[in-house]
Amino acid sequence: GENVEQHPSTLSVQEGDSAVIKCTYSDSASNYFPWYKQELGKRPQLIIDIRSNVGEKKDQRIAVTLNKTAKHFSLHITETQPEDSAVYFCAASNGGKLIFGQGTELSVKP
Amino acid sequence: GAVVSQHPSRVICKSGTSVKIECRSLDFQATTMFWYRQFPKQSLMLMATSNEGSKATYEQGVEKDKFLINHASLTLSTLTVTSAHPEDSSFYICSARGDYLYGYTFGSGTRLTVV
Repeated sequence: GENVEQHPSTLSVQEGDSAVIKCTYSDSASNYFPWYKQELGKRPQLIIDIRSNVGEKKDQRIAVTLNKTAKHFSLHITETQPEDSAVYFCAASNGGKLIFGQGTELSVKP
Repeated sequence: GAVVSQHPSRVICKSGTSVKIECRSLDFQATTMFWYRQFPKQSLMLMATSNEGSKATYEQGVEKDKFLINHASLTLSTLTVTSAHPEDSSFYICSARGDYLYGYTFGSGTRLTVV
């Protein structure tokens, strides 16, 4: 079945550094790739998404890249701040169900 | 923007009882509803997909007789955990899509504790 692998599971960076989280997906029909930030006990919050007809998308300090051939996509956060500390999830959809990666706990140290 | 209201936010129930969780789309028609379960420090695991007026499709390993899903209208879907046991304690969250809606809209989640 569909599967999304996410790495690393934990990531610790110094404030101001960049953070990169990587995901691979198995379903070649996937065409929508959102990234979510989730705080404890809260709903996932969409931070950026990309569709399969686009290779890269940027929104201020956040960017996502997609390599359809290799079936992987990545989240890049630049100039990290302590408030970026949270759990981040990638996900993939083929237009139907949304499958999540395992999550990355990002810690930004002041 | 699109809003999904989920209730209750927290519920504690005794082992063996049933609990119903509701998700309502407030400003759009939710043609498809997805139900997820999330254990502490784990990812969101898809339990089932329901389309309005149809039977839900359950993911492998999810007991359909234990987790009853009803999606009788375009604005309401319910998940009933029947004969709950402590191992069913988890964070349950719904996500909705509409025909003309881009992306997925999540409810606020329900923290279920079975004692």
